[in-house]
Amino acid sequence: ETGVTQSPTHLIKTRGQQVTLRCSSQSGHNTVSWYQQALGQGPQFIFQYYREEENGRGNFPPRFSGLQFPNYSSELNVNALELDDSALYLCASSGAGKETQYFGPGTRLLVL
Amino acid sequence: LAKTTQPISMDSYEGQEVNITCSHNNIATNDYITWYQQFPSQGPRFIIQGYKTKVTNEVASLFIPADRKSSTLSLPRVSLSDTAVYYCLVGDGYNQGGKLIFGQGTELSVKP
Repeated sequence: ETGVTQSPTHLIKTRGQQVTLRCSSQSGHNTVSWYQQALGQGPQFIFQYYREEENGRGNFPPRFSGLQFPNYSSELNVNALELDDSALYLCASSGAGKETQYFGPGTRLLVL
Repeated sequence: LAKTTQPISMDSYEGQEVNITCSHNNIATNDYITWYQQFPSQGPRFIIQGYKTKVTNEVASLFIPADRKSSTLSLPRVSLSDTAVYYCLVGDGYNQGGKLIFGQGTELSVKP
């Protein structure tokens, strides 16, 4: 069984740029959730995708958007990057009817 | 959504049993209690999940009293590699993925 993978592992961008982060869900999982984790804080829920539809959103502005593909992999897009977007971005997958989320290793984004 | 309260930090020594208690006074009837472990710059790792009474796996035990307003994660005979942040979360059972709210977590430091 393949676990959750994320790419890239690290990324450096400048203010105003756009970024796309990618996540491959664990085999058999159809739900992907994205989280942002600032240094020293717990992860904050951004949004969730279930069967290619957004299925819940946290308190993040519209410049945070996402997609889920037919193979259940997912993308997180952030437009007009701000310095405060610097964080570890985590993807987690879960299966229909199962409660547990399994997290990937994260993408460390630095905005200069 | 039920909020959780747990100690910010705890210290222990190798070989000791560690108990981390989490308060969740407003837990809902269909909420499960889940604990995650996180090492620096890595994604959270699922440890254990329960609904009531006691759950045990190869890593930890979870004790939940009858009123379910608190829970205790018990780590037997900790080692240096158990030094990490531990998060207690509550959320609804099905499709819990999008509803997880992480608090500050408990930073456990295991000393030799």
